Amino acid sequence: ETGVTQTPRHLVMGMTNKKSLKCEQHLGHNAMYWYKQSAKKPLELMFVYNFKEQTENNSVPSRFSPECPNSSHLFLHLHTLQPEDSALYLCASSQDFLQSYEQYFGPGTRLTVT
Amino acid sequence: AQKVTQAQTEISVVEKEDVTLDCVYETRDTTYYLFWYKQPPSGELVFLIRRNSFDEQNEISGRYSWNFQKSTSSFNFTITASQVVDSAVYFCALLSGNTGKLIFGQGTTLQVKP
Repeated sequence: ETGVTQTPRHLVMGMTNKKSLKCEQHLGHNAMYWYKQSAKKPLELMFVYNFKEQTENNSVPSRFSPECPNSSHLFLHLHTLQPEDSALYLCASSQDFLQSYEQYFGPGTRLTVT
Repeated sequence: AQKVTQAQTEISVVEKEDVTLDCVYETRDTTYYLFWYKQPPSGELVFLIRRNSFDEQNEISGRYSWNFQKSTSSFNFTITASQVVDSAVYFCALLSGNTGKLIFGQGTTLQVKP
């Protein structure tokens, strides 16, 4: 138990659906992250929020839309996804961005796009 | 460019054997941080250790030890007397002191057989 929770744990959606992934951290951290983990690829950073402000968008397609209403919650809104978007989506948090603090990860959402 | 290479894709050992996971990194930063994470089958990445670029002291934590060598840009991880519960994917990661981004290696899958 790392103090970072993600829901749902598994999600199957069609290419025309709209769904959202939710992340919540109970660590009092100020930075939150979305990563994508595909088979046979290193983890890819998607978005970073620091003190609720988006500081990084790593050239992510617009069909992924993040939202950070407060420092404890992070959402990833999904719409018109492609089969190649099937992956494990991991949320993480750290004390602050641009500092050396370690990141703590949630268990991930296993997404399958059909 | 920042890069982390974990040349060993998969390692299989028998319980009680010692095993070393290799990690080689590339960076032009003078200040950087190195991490190891463990990803068990449940999915979440578990933080194991952080080292900064100015501290080359090796570290031991129970059965785990880490060897940081700036001269060879390596940060290797050794598990002594491996156990079945050590079976997981292990990731080495580099955090740039300039960008704050965490760059992951491809991961090494360790299987410890009883």
